[in-house]
Amino acid sequence: NAGVTQTPKFQVLKTGQSMTLQCAQDMNHEYMSWYRQDPGMGLRLIHYSVGAGITDQGEVPNGYNVSRSTTEDFPLRLLSAAPSQTSVYFCASSRDRGGATTDTQYFGPGTRLTVL
Amino acid sequence: GDSVTQMEGPVTLSEEAFLTINCTYTATGYPSLFWYVQYPGEGLQLLLKATKADDKGSNKGFEATYRKETTSFHLEKGSVQVSDSAVYFCALGPNTGNQFYFGTGTSLTVIP
Repeated sequence: NAGVTQTPKFQVLKTGQSMTLQCAQDMNHEYMSWYRQDPGMGLRLIHYSVGAGITDQGEVPNGYNVSRSTTEDFPLRLLSAAPSQTSVYFCASSRDRGGATTDTQYFGPGTRLTVL
Repeated sequence: GDSVTQMEGPVTLSEEAFLTINCTYTATGYPSLFWYVQYPGEGLQLLLKATKADDKGSNKGFEATYRKETTSFHLEKGSVQVSDSAVYFCALGPNTGNQFYFGTGTSLTVIP
């Protein structure tokens, strides 16, 4: 049971490049989400999904796309990278559809992205 | 909307000192409250949680009590160790929507 995995661990992009951050979980969790972590800002929600085929925007969705074609995978796409997207990105999952209030979130190890 | 306000850091303590990290929340209804911990270079992991008013969550010597009357969920530990050095996040579970809300994190350094 690997839990939540993220790849790559580190990435450097040039402004305007696109890329996909991968996230997978093997716990059969319905709810998955992407956060970015910036100094002094804590974790901010980018996008989330309450099940396969369903996604919704969080607090800071601009410049990012997501899709959820399977229960296991939830990739995050940067369409045209900007220096403001330099951050650490975390994927998380929890068991219940709709992110039940009692649910624990399980986090991946993070991807550190630098945009030059 | 729902939100979490967390004590700003960084906090530096000597080993065996008493720790308190303040957390207050704003929410309608009865969300669950969580403390997560992030060790250097790692993702967040659950430290403890409480799902209703007056519940006390506890783990690894840490405790926090869900106080609805003061809308607080302060984290405490009686005697910290060097291994407790980490960033601590207070979080609010989904309430009327589907989002979790995190505080800004408090960095704790424990010196021998």
